[in-house]
Amino acid sequence: DTGVSQDPRHKITKRGQNVTFRCDPISEHNRLYWYRQTLGQGPEFLTYFQNEAQLEKSRLLSDRFSAERPKGSFSTLEIQRTEQGDSAMYLCASSLAEQGTGELFFGEGSRLTVL
Amino acid sequence: QKEVEQDPGPLSVPEGAIVSLNCTYSNSAFQYFMWYRQYSRKGPELLMYTYSSGNKEDGRFTAQVDKSSKYISLFIRDSQPSDSATYLCAMTVTYNFNKFYFGSGTKLNVKP
Repeated sequence: DTGVSQDPRHKITKRGQNVTFRCDPISEHNRLYWYRQTLGQGPEFLTYFQNEAQLEKSRLLSDRFSAERPKGSFSTLEIQRTEQGDSAMYLCASSLAEQGTGELFFGEGSRLTVL
Repeated sequence: QKEVEQDPGPLSVPEGAIVSLNCTYSNSAFQYFMWYRQYSRKGPELLMYTYSSGNKEDGRFTAQVDKSSKYISLFIRDSQPSDSATYLCAMTVTYNFNKFYFGSGTKLNVKP
Protein backbone atom coordinates (compact mmCIF):
# COMPACT_ATOMS: atom_id res chain seq x y z
CA ASP A 1 0.00 0.00 0.00
CA THR A 2 1.54 3.33 -1.02
CA GLY A 3 -0.95 5.67 0.63
CA VAL A 4 -0.50 7.83 3.70
CA SER A 5 -0.11 5.75 6.81
CA GLN A 6 -0.59 6.85 10.39
CA ASP A 7 0.35 5.18 13.63
CA PRO A 8 -1.12 4.41 16.07
CA ARG A 9 -4.69 4.30 14.79
CA HIS A 10 -6.09 4.73 18.27
CA LYS A 11 -4.45 5.96 21.45
CA ILE A 12 -6.08 6.09 24.87
CA THR A 13 -4.19 8.03 27.49
CA LYS A 14 -4.69 9.66 30.83
CA ARG A 15 -4.77 13.40 31.24
CA GLY A 16 -1.31 14.82 31.69
CA GLN A 17 0.51 12.15 29.70
CA ASN A 18 2.46 12.82 26.51
CA VAL A 19 1.52 11.20 23.22
CA THR A 20 3.22 11.03 19.85
CA PHE A 21 1.70 10.27 16.47
CA ARG A 22 3.61 9.29 13.38
CA CYS A 23 2.73 9.92 9.76
CA ASP A 24 4.38 8.37 6.72
CA PRO A 25 3.36 10.32 3.61
CA ILE A 26 3.27 9.13 0.03
CA SER A 27 6.95 8.83 -0.79
CA GLU A 28 7.24 11.42 -3.57
CA HIS A 29 5.10 14.03 -1.81
CA ASN A 30 6.98 17.07 -0.57
CA ARG A 31 4.16 18.59 1.46
CA LEU A 32 2.77 17.20 4.67
CA TYR A 33 -0.13 18.53 6.70
CA TRP A 34 -1.59 17.85 10.10
CA TYR A 35 -5.28 18.45 10.75
CA ARG A 36 -7.47 17.83 13.76
CA GLN A 37 -11.06 16.66 13.44
CA THR A 38 -13.58 16.43 16.26
CA LEU A 39 -16.92 14.66 16.05
CA GLY A 40 -19.31 16.38 13.69
CA GLN A 41 -16.74 18.91 12.55
CA GLY A 42 -14.54 19.28 9.55
CA PRO A 43 -10.77 19.04 9.72
CA GLU A 44 -9.03 22.03 11.30
CA PHE A 45 -5.60 23.02 10.06
CA LEU A 46 -2.77 22.56 12.54
CA THR A 47 0.45 22.85 10.57
CA TYR A 48 2.16 22.03 7.32
CA PHE A 49 5.64 21.23 6.06
CA GLN A 50 7.30 21.72 2.72
CA ASN A 51 10.05 19.12 2.79
CA GLU A 52 11.58 19.46 6.27
CA ALA A 53 10.59 23.10 6.80
CA GLN A 54 7.55 23.85 8.93
CA LEU A 55 6.07 26.78 7.03
CA GLU A 56 2.87 27.53 8.89
CA LYS A 57 1.35 26.78 12.25
CA SER A 58 -2.20 27.40 13.41
CA ARG A 59 -2.99 29.30 16.57
CA LEU A 60 -4.66 26.05 17.59
CA LEU A 61 -1.19 24.59 17.94
CA SER A 62 -0.45 25.61 21.51
CA ASP A 63 2.98 25.25 23.06
CA ARG A 64 1.97 21.75 24.17
CA PHE A 65 1.93 20.67 20.52
CA SER A 66 5.03 20.16 18.45
CA ALA A 67 5.49 18.70 15.01
CA GLU A 68 8.62 17.68 13.20
CA ARG A 69 9.51 16.32 9.81
CA PRO A 70 13.18 15.38 9.92
CA LYS A 71 14.79 14.94 6.51
CA GLY A 72 11.50 15.72 4.83
CA SER A 73 10.17 12.19 5.13
CA PHE A 74 7.92 10.98 7.95
CA SER A 75 6.47 13.39 10.48
CA THR A 76 5.66 13.22 14.16
CA LEU A 77 3.09 15.19 16.12
CA GLU A 78 3.65 15.27 19.86
CA ILE A 79 1.16 16.47 22.43
CA GLN A 80 2.54 17.11 25.88
CA ARG A 81 0.49 17.17 29.08
CA THR A 82 -2.64 16.03 27.30
CA GLU A 83 -5.99 17.52 28.23
CA GLN A 84 -9.47 16.10 27.68
CA GLY A 85 -10.05 18.77 25.06
CA ASP A 86 -7.27 17.21 22.98
CA SER A 87 -9.48 14.19 22.31
CA ALA A 88 -9.95 14.16 18.55
CA MET A 89 -8.93 12.48 15.33
CA TYR A 90 -5.54 13.68 14.14
CA LEU A 91 -5.33 13.49 10.37
CA CYS A 92 -2.18 13.60 8.33
CA ALA A 93 -2.25 14.46 4.65
CA SER A 94 0.39 14.79 1.97
CA SER A 95 0.53 16.40 -1.43
CA LEU A 96 2.86 17.23 -4.28
CA ALA A 97 3.33 20.98 -4.48
CA GLU A 98 3.94 20.83 -8.24
CA GLN A 99 0.67 19.02 -8.89
CA GLY A 100 -1.20 22.31 -9.06
CA THR A 101 -4.57 21.05 -7.86
CA GLY A 102 -3.99 21.17 -4.14
CA GLU A 103 -5.28 17.62 -3.75
CA LEU A 104 -4.60 16.34 -0.27
CA PHE A 105 -4.16 12.62 0.27
CA PHE A 106 -5.29 11.81 3.77
CA GLY A 107 -4.36 8.95 6.02
CA GLU A 108 -7.00 7.17 8.07
CA GLY A 109 -6.15 9.22 11.13
CA SER A 110 -4.99 8.65 14.68
CA ARG A 111 -7.80 8.82 17.18
CA LEU A 112 -6.83 10.21 20.57
CA THR A 113 -8.95 9.64 23.67
CA VAL A 114 -7.85 11.47 26.80
CA LEU A 115 -9.43 10.14 29.99
CA GLN B 1 -18.33 33.35 12.55
CA LYS B 2 -16.66 30.38 10.88
CA GLU B 3 -14.97 31.04 7.58
CA VAL B 4 -16.85 28.15 5.96
CA GLU B 5 -20.40 27.16 6.87
CA GLN B 6 -22.02 23.88 5.90
CA ASP B 7 -25.33 22.34 6.92
CA PRO B 8 -24.46 19.21 8.91
CA GLY B 9 -27.58 17.31 7.85
CA PRO B 10 -28.14 14.44 8.02
CA LEU B 11 -29.65 14.36 4.57
CA SER B 12 -31.60 11.23 3.70
CA VAL B 13 -32.68 10.56 0.12
CA PRO B 14 -33.96 7.57 -1.87
CA GLU B 15 -31.70 5.86 -4.34
CA GLY B 16 -31.73 7.63 -7.70
CA ALA B 17 -32.47 11.07 -6.26
CA ILE B 18 -30.56 14.21 -7.15
CA VAL B 19 -28.64 15.48 -4.12
CA SER B 20 -27.65 19.08 -3.56
CA LEU B 21 -24.97 19.92 -1.01
CA ASN B 22 -23.96 23.48 -0.25
CA CYS B 23 -21.44 25.65 1.55
CA THR B 24 -21.19 29.35 2.15
CA TYR B 25 -18.06 31.22 3.03
CA SER B 26 -17.07 34.64 4.26
CA ASN B 27 -13.57 35.20 2.86
CA SER B 28 -13.82 36.67 -0.62
CA ALA B 29 -10.16 35.82 -1.19
CA PHE B 30 -10.89 32.10 -1.51
CA GLN B 31 -10.17 31.03 -5.08
CA TYR B 32 -9.80 27.25 -5.01
CA PHE B 33 -12.73 25.08 -4.00
CA MET B 34 -12.85 21.36 -3.34
CA TRP B 35 -15.30 18.71 -2.28
CA TYR B 36 -14.09 15.77 -0.24
CA ARG B 37 -15.97 12.61 0.65
CA GLN B 38 -15.35 10.94 3.99
CA TYR B 39 -16.58 7.49 4.86
CA SER B 40 -16.95 6.56 8.50
CA ARG B 41 -13.59 6.11 10.26
CA LYS B 42 -11.67 6.96 7.10
CA GLY B 43 -9.75 9.99 5.95
CA PRO B 44 -11.34 12.37 3.44
CA GLU B 45 -10.76 11.76 -0.27
CA LEU B 46 -10.97 14.39 -3.00
CA LEU B 47 -14.04 14.29 -5.25
CA MET B 48 -13.98 17.56 -7.16
CA TYR B 49 -11.75 20.56 -7.53
CA THR B 50 -12.66 23.91 -9.13
CA TYR B 51 -10.94 27.22 -9.54
CA SER B 52 -12.83 30.50 -9.24
CA SER B 53 -16.45 30.69 -10.43
CA GLY B 54 -18.23 28.33 -12.77
CA ASN B 55 -19.29 24.73 -13.12
CA LYS B 56 -17.36 21.50 -13.39
CA GLU B 57 -18.79 18.11 -14.17
CA ASP B 58 -17.32 14.68 -13.54
CA GLY B 59 -19.61 11.74 -14.13
CA ARG B 60 -22.55 11.96 -11.74
CA PHE B 61 -20.99 14.87 -9.86
CA THR B 62 -21.25 18.58 -10.67
CA ALA B 63 -19.55 21.30 -8.68
CA GLN B 64 -20.69 24.92 -8.91
CA VAL B 65 -19.02 28.02 -7.55
CA ASP B 66 -20.70 31.41 -7.30
CA LYS B 67 -18.08 33.78 -5.95
CA SER B 68 -20.43 36.77 -6.07
CA SER B 69 -22.68 35.03 -3.54
CA LYS B 70 -19.83 33.22 -1.75
CA TYR B 71 -21.70 29.98 -2.30
CA ILE B 72 -20.59 26.61 -3.61
CA SER B 73 -22.61 23.52 -4.41
CA LEU B 74 -22.11 19.86 -5.20
CA PHE B 75 -24.81 18.00 -7.10
CA ILE B 76 -24.96 14.23 -7.22
CA ARG B 77 -27.17 12.72 -9.90
CA ASP B 78 -28.65 9.23 -9.73
CA SER B 79 -27.48 8.86 -6.15
CA GLN B 80 -26.43 5.39 -5.00
CA PRO B 81 -26.24 3.78 -1.55
CA SER B 82 -22.47 3.79 -1.98
CA ASP B 83 -22.64 7.61 -1.99
CA SER B 84 -23.64 7.48 1.68
CA ALA B 85 -20.88 9.38 3.43
CA THR B 86 -20.02 12.78 4.87
CA TYR B 87 -19.28 15.43 2.26
CA LEU B 88 -16.86 18.18 3.18
CA CYS B 89 -16.30 21.37 1.25
CA ALA B 90 -12.85 22.90 1.44
CA MET B 91 -11.28 26.03 0.09
CA THR B 92 -8.05 27.94 0.03
CA VAL B 93 -6.79 31.33 -0.95
CA THR B 94 -3.68 30.90 -3.00
CA TYR B 95 -2.20 28.60 -5.55
CA ASN B 96 0.35 27.66 -2.91
CA PHE B 97 -2.28 25.45 -1.28
CA ASN B 98 -0.68 25.99 2.08
CA LYS B 99 -3.80 26.08 4.23
CA PHE B 100 -7.23 24.64 3.57
CA TYR B 101 -10.44 25.63 5.34
CA PHE B 102 -13.02 22.90 5.66
CA GLY B 103 -16.73 23.00 6.29
CA SER B 104 -18.14 20.87 9.07
CA GLY B 105 -19.47 18.30 6.60
CA THR B 106 -22.92 17.14 5.52
CA LYS B 107 -23.82 13.56 6.29
CA LEU B 108 -25.66 11.94 3.39
CA ASN B 109 -27.65 8.71 3.56
CA VAL B 110 -28.92 7.21 0.31
CA LYS B 111 -31.57 4.61 1.00
CA PRO B 112 -31.90 1.61 -1.35
